[in-house]
Amino acid sequence: DTAVSQTPKYLVTQMGNDKSIKCEQNLGHDTMYWYKQDSKKFLKIMFSYNNKELIINETVPNRFSPKSPDKAHLNLHINSLELGDSAVYFCASSRPQANEQYFGPGTRLTVT
Amino acid sequence: GQQVMQIPQYQHVQEGEDFTTYCNSSTTLSNIQWYKQRPGGHPVFLIQLVKSGEVKKQKRLTFQFGEAKKNSSLHITATQTTDVGTYFCIGRGSTLGRLYFGRGTQLTVWP
Repeated sequence: DTAVSQTPKYLVTQMGNDKSIKCEQNLGHDTMYWYKQDSKKFLKIMFSYNNKELIINETVPNRFSPKSPDKAHLNLHINSLELGDSAVYFCASSRPQANEQYFGPGTRLTVT
Repeated sequence: GQQVMQIPQYQHVQEGEDFTTYCNSSTTLSNIQWYKQRPGGHPVFLIQLVKSGEVKKQKRLTFQFGEAKKNSSLHITATQTTDVGTYFCIGRGSTLGRLYFGRGTQLTVWP
């Protein structure tokens, strides 16, 4: 079974649309993250949730809103998509106080 | 997350040559982790270093954490084509626990 899964794997959409990316982990971890990776492979943390509560909220546009219905899920909703939002988005999870992160397979978002 | 300076950004080597990437932080870290990301793949955890001056080995990979806990390196002996990918570090600040990210080193290995 996949430890951290994301859907969809690919997402192509037009500017101005609203889209969501879903993430689920079956590892029993309390902490989950969302990252954005640009074309130069730089990994930038966006959000981190610990047991459904937001603990890291980096400077990202408020068009991005994470939602954690339970500690196994952390979804990312993006409003009014822009060209610059095109990237690969990774979800990850870890145990609290532990640092090893398990990453999902990524969602490649293309905004046209 | 703020940045840790990671160098080089790119490295091209011939199979059999050695490779080293460095992460340098201006702030003291409580620990540092190393990840590998294959082309088209997702980051995979390699190792975590916690102690000052720590050295850990995984087959051909040697990881070091500096005495001041601000610097770290990953050294690969006798690279193979399977080593191709991006290697990056994530450090956790010792004061506030913030995460600091290296920009990654993209390794290409010629057969």
